[in-house]
Amino acid sequence: GQQLNQSPQSMFIQEGEDVSMNCTSSSIFNTWLWYKQDPGEGPVLLIALYKAGELTSNGRLTAQFGITRKDSFLNISASIPSDVGIYFCAGRNSGGSNYKLTFGKGTLLTVNP
Amino acid sequence: DADVTQTPRNRITKTGKRIMLECSQTKGHDRMYWYRQDPGLGLRLIYYSFDVKDINKGEISDGYSVSRQAQAKFSLSLESAIPNQTALYFCATQLGGTDTQYFGPGTRLTVL
Repeated sequence: GQQLNQSPQSMFIQEGEDVSMNCTSSSIFNTWLWYKQDPGEGPVLLIALYKAGELTSNGRLTAQFGITRKDSFLNISASIPSDVGIYFCAGRNSGGSNYKLTFGKGTLLTVNP
Repeated sequence: DADVTQTPRNRITKTGKRIMLECSQTKGHDRMYWYRQDPGLGLRLIYYSFDVKDINKGEISDGYSVSRQAQAKFSLSLESAIPNQTALYFCATQLGGTDTQYFGPGTRLTVL
């Protein structure tokens, strides 16, 4: 099946630093989504991307849909302690059953105050 | 009130027991999903349903069954629980024609 390679697996940063994480795929995706999971909670959607090359921001978060449609990255600027959590990328392609989101394995972010 | 609720939030059970996890939603979405999350493995799809009469297996359906009792309710059953089914289980909903899935708060299941 499809796989998403998400990196890094974990990050330990100081408050105020910028963060970058990315996902790559062997297949083309039509949609990229980025979710955040707070400790003890379910994932919550941060940003959705629908077009190759699209760059979208949500506050201190910026995400881009790669030109090749096989990758996406998420940047967090000026990190704060509440940014702690697991960040997941998810992609959807148009082949076959278009319901299915394929999730990356997540990036665990720790922010030291 | 939460749009997607899961009960119970935590459950400890013994090997061989039958367990049911419940999911309810007030979002009016037609599509519902069950995932399990294991450390380092991300979210893996167990079953999904596009409407009340539609049930489909995901990538790891063995040992699980589901029931879509109504549009708003989707339950997951472990017929005979085993220790490697210890995990965090998430229900998600989606409005057909859109991409975003909305997740419940999760059920932490421990099988001893």
